[in-house]
Amino acid sequence: KAGVTQTPRYLIKTRGQQVTLSCSPISGHRSVSWYQQTPGQGLQFLFEYFSETQRNKGNFPGRFSGRQFSNSRSEMNVSTLELGDSALYLCASSLMGDRGYTFGSGTRLTVV
Amino acid sequence: SQKIEQNSEALNIQEGKTATLTCNYTNYSPAYLQWYRQDPGRGPVFLLLIRENEKEKRKERLKVTFDTTLKQSLFHITASQPADSATYLCALDVRGSTLGRLYFGRGTQLTVWP
Repeated sequence: KAGVTQTPRYLIKTRGQQVTLSCSPISGHRSVSWYQQTPGQGLQFLFEYFSETQRNKGNFPGRFSGRQFSNSRSEMNVSTLELGDSALYLCASSLMGDRGYTFGSGTRLTVV
Repeated sequence: SQKIEQNSEALNIQEGKTATLTCNYTNYSPAYLQWYRQDPGRGPVFLLLIRENEKEKRKERLKVTFDTTLKQSLFHITASQPADSATYLCALDVRGSTLGRLYFGRGTQLTVWP
């Protein structure tokens, strides 16, 4: 079966711009979580969606937002980009939002 | 404060030996503990999950133990191979936490040399 697909794989944006990242979960998986990974902080939880509802949110500013569509695909948006937003953004899906997650390969965002 | 610590940033062992990685946590009450493997530039890959009421779980050359009294999990790779070289992450699925959130350690980079 197809894995978790994240697009694009790489992005370069300028400070102050906004960006939208996309995640297609494994077919049948209704839970999608987003993580930010940096060398300094490791993997940090952003938010989780289940059946189009945000169930949990990490400690990130309101510039970070997301949504989930009826087909379980998810997008996250970062507005007013800062240099510190440069990171690998990972999406993970699971059947119910628990027990072993399947991660995508991530989107590498560079803010210049 | 809440912390998840993995024993070392890097571990180097010879092929054929057993690699043992440690995950210690404080101020968490995990219902489950998970281990992931991550290769450079890729997302983490799920390896094993162990529940709070389980002491040990095995899968092929992998073994995980979970001691909720010591607040520690050990991850063993027996008969290690160069292909096992990667970063290994432990992750806590916390009791009472809303579903969908894992708390990750910083990882241990394992290198297996021939």
